[in-house]
Amino acid sequence: GQQLNQSPQSMFIQEGEDVSMNCTSSSIFNTWLWYKQDPGEGPVLLIALYKAGELTSNGRLTAQFGITRKDSFLNISASIPSDVGIYFCAGLTGTASKLTFGTGTRLQVTL
Amino acid sequence: DTGVSQDPRHKITKRGQNVTFRCDPISEHNRLYWYRQTLGQGPEFLTYFQNEAQLEKSRLLSDRFSAERPKGSFSTLEIQRTEQGDSAMYLCATSLMGGNTEAFFGQGTRLTVV
Repeated sequence: GQQLNQSPQSMFIQEGEDVSMNCTSSSIFNTWLWYKQDPGEGPVLLIALYKAGELTSNGRLTAQFGITRKDSFLNISASIPSDVGIYFCAGLTGTASKLTFGTGTRLQVTL
Repeated sequence: DTGVSQDPRHKITKRGQNVTFRCDPISEHNRLYWYRQTLGQGPEFLTYFQNEAQLEKSRLLSDRFSAERPKGSFSTLEIQRTEQGDSAMYLCATSLMGGNTEAFFGQGTRLTVV
């Protein structure tokens, strides 16, 4: 099935650094969601975006819904070791109820 | 714990056997989804229920797969005559109908077919 393109595929950063990742699609979405998944666990919802251009924060996380509605960005500031995991974007159209997921960005944080 | 609950967490089965997984949703959530996730990939949609009605099925859902949500609460996903290619994490997610459609996931069932 279709998957959204996420970049980068993986990142190795030092504790305290800021992180940026993005997600792009050839299709328009009406909702963008960002999830974090730890090994062997289900995805945990981090941020939800419902309007083009919207910028939303959740603690050290900030996400934006792209103006074209075909992309979204997630930033993590001052990374800490527990930020390690795989980050997935997911898009939802107005006419479909299923989420289309990205390919994931694997984040590793070193001390 | 009032989150989405899945059982079992892990299942190892021999090829050709049938397996059944269960998902208990967040209590007021009327939409329930099943996804499959293979290693290194994002979750892929399998099927979706609104209350007890199964409204959409992916082409990924072969005729060996069947899902039910008999009373609009918990759901089961059965795989008949399992194949090695069925090995994956099976994830359940639930959401409220209408308005902001945030989907919350369970911890998943890891299936290994040997």
